[in-house]
Amino acid sequence: SQQGEEDPQALSIQEGENATMNCSYKTSINNLQWYRQNSGRGLVHLILIRSNEREKHSGRLRVTLDTSKKSSSLLITASRAADTASYFCATDAGGSNYKLTFGKGTLLTVNP
Amino acid sequence: DVKVTQSSRYLVKRTGEKVFLECVQDMDHENMFWYRQDPGLGLRLIYFSYDVKMKEKGDIPEGYSVSREKKERFSLILESASTNQTSMYLCASSFGKHTQYFGPGTRLTVL
Repeated sequence: SQQGEEDPQALSIQEGENATMNCSYKTSINNLQWYRQNSGRGLVHLILIRSNEREKHSGRLRVTLDTSKKSSSLLITASRAADTASYFCATDAGGSNYKLTFGKGTLLTVNP
Repeated sequence: DVKVTQSSRYLVKRTGEKVFLECVQDMDHENMFWYRQDPGLGLRLIYFSYDVKMKEKGDIPEGYSVSREKKERFSLILESASTNQTSMYLCASSFGKHTQYFGPGTRLTVL
């Protein structure tokens, strides 16, 4: 079963706008990660936020985590056409399990 | 930089053929993973390995087997390929419970 579920499934914005994607999950976690996938390629790790962190920044990326609501959001500021990709959240299952469970992704299209 | 390579970007096989997909990582990672990715279904874990010769089933292991004889190499085997195994196959590696590093993927078509 899917641990992480992204919302929305697809998002289309203009260059320069901000893009926000959400992820909900069901069970307790050690950390939550966001990955990006360009069309037809492998996934690339963007950012990891631990369960005891509430917010994390990396360049134009801002990730928040609300463990009480079991949700996370990824904000991309000042988007560029090159940000066009699918974005996935991934959660571990807590405990000592090193498997990740990926959501189905949000397809972001940034129009020039 | 971590590098994960997969043996083929595109592969076309016939039903019933035995198919080998190979993955090599160069960072001495203990964990390696095989996923398949299908439209609308996201990434699903087929098998993973946490050490040489060690393996565990993922969520959809049926029809697949794996081999890890050396730490850097993890092979996915389709004993008798079927059309429903047409998919994008992604290999990944990691150290501990952290970031997974992915290869470029192999798009397999079974005719």
